Amino acid sequence: QVQLQESGPGLVKPSETLSLTCSVSGGFISGYYWSWIRQPPGQALEWIGYVYFTGSTNYNPSLKSRVAMSVDTSNNRLSLKLNSVTAADTAVYHCARILPRDGTIDLWGRGTLVTVSS
Amino acid sequence: DIQMTQSPFSLSASLGDRVTITCRASRSIGTYLSWHRHTPGNAPKVLIYGASRLQSGVPSRFSGSGSETDFTLTISSLQPEDFGIYYCQQSYSTPYTFGQGTKVELK
Repeated sequence: QVQLQESGPGLVKPSETLSLTCSVSGGFISGYYWSWIRQPPGQALEWIGYVYFTGSTNYNPSLKSRVAMSVDTSNNRLSLKLNSVTAADTAVYHCARILPRDGTIDLWGRGTLVTVSS
Repeated sequence: DIQMTQSPFSLSASLGDRVTITCRASRSIGTYLSWHRHTPGNAPKVLIYGASRLQSGVPSRFSGSGSETDFTLTISSLQPEDFGIYYCQQSYSTPYTFGQGTKVELK
């Protein structure tokens, strides 16, 4: 059974870079798109973007200037970097798997809370 | 961006009740619509994809319908594990977008 587990610092200072990792266990990265999705407290889910197993990316225009995603197929890991963070970036961050056939998100991680505060 | 609007925002229901949640897209998305449920402390879970296709392992009391701009998720007989927040999500075009969620609570 494939599982996704997000990890990274729970607290990031304003203007710094948020860095998260998603470990994929029980399966392989190849053949899928991998997405990051966040949910600020009390707000709706926001799609940050996705990275294909080849490394190609597609980012939400609202975050495109600050975000970078990558895959490490050797270690079955994904990474998310979001720079110049502010309090508005405080959220639960989920990684998720996307099926190439139709963009369906078929698997989610539990998510990790990142708070931006000095 | 395609805006997804769900209704109701929340609902209270009893075990065994039939529950219906609607989702409207700001423009046509064909059947590129999924429904997900999120319960506190757990990973969200996809229930329906392609507007009406039941994800493997999801009980048959869940069903989805609709196309283009109007979609519905129905739970035929509410069970204890069904409480949580339900989201619709379009994958017709990027940026993918979600509805604001419908909280299903026990009456």
